[in-house]
Amino acid sequence: NAGVTQTPKFRILKIGQSMTLQCTQDMNHNYMYWYRQDPGMGLKLIYYSVGAGITDKGEVPNGYNVSRSTTEDFPLRLELAAPSQTSVYFCASSYGQGEAFFGQGTRLTVV
Amino acid sequence: AQSVTQPDIHITVSEGASLELRCNYSYGATPYLFWYVQSPGQGLQLLLKYFSGDTLVQGIKGFEAEFKRSQSSFNLRKPSVHWSDAAEYFCAVGSPMYSGGGADGLTFGKGTHLIIQP
Repeated sequence: NAGVTQTPKFRILKIGQSMTLQCTQDMNHNYMYWYRQDPGMGLKLIYYSVGAGITDKGEVPNGYNVSRSTTEDFPLRLELAAPSQTSVYFCASSYGQGEAFFGQGTRLTVV
Repeated sequence: AQSVTQPDIHITVSEGASLELRCNYSYGATPYLFWYVQSPGQGLQLLLKYFSGDTLVQGIKGFEAEFKRSQSSFNLRKPSVHWSDAAEYFCAVGSPMYSGGGADGLTFGKGTHLIIQP
């Protein structure tokens, strides 16, 4: 039981490039989330999903896209990377009572 | 909109001393309340949670937290800290499922960085 797995762990992007952050969970959770963490700012919700085929915007969705084709996977897509997207990204999943299980994070730098 | 305030950005405590980390929330009713811990370079690990019932909740690693409705607080405590407790601590609130929430994630405070002095 691996929990929530994120790849890659680190990535450096150039301005304007795109990439996909991968997230998969093996707990059969319906709810999945993407957060970004910036120093001194806590975690901000980017997108969330309540099940396969259903996604919705969180607090800071601009510049990102998501899809949820299966229960297990919830990739986050960055189009036209900008320096403001330099952050640590966390994927999480939940069985619905609010408690979230987090991945180890992806540290992204846009230069 | 719900919000969480952690008034202390940094706290320094001597090893063996007691610890209290403060958390205040803003929410229309009683939310679900959580404390998470993050070690450097790691993800977040759940320490404890409050949904309802007994207002004093016990968590892992010897931590406890007390929900005080009148003060909209959910402070985290530990009687005696260990050097391994040095980490970032986050308080979070979530919308209860019975109120139609639960799906839209948690709202986090900005975190308290705990430093342990030998």
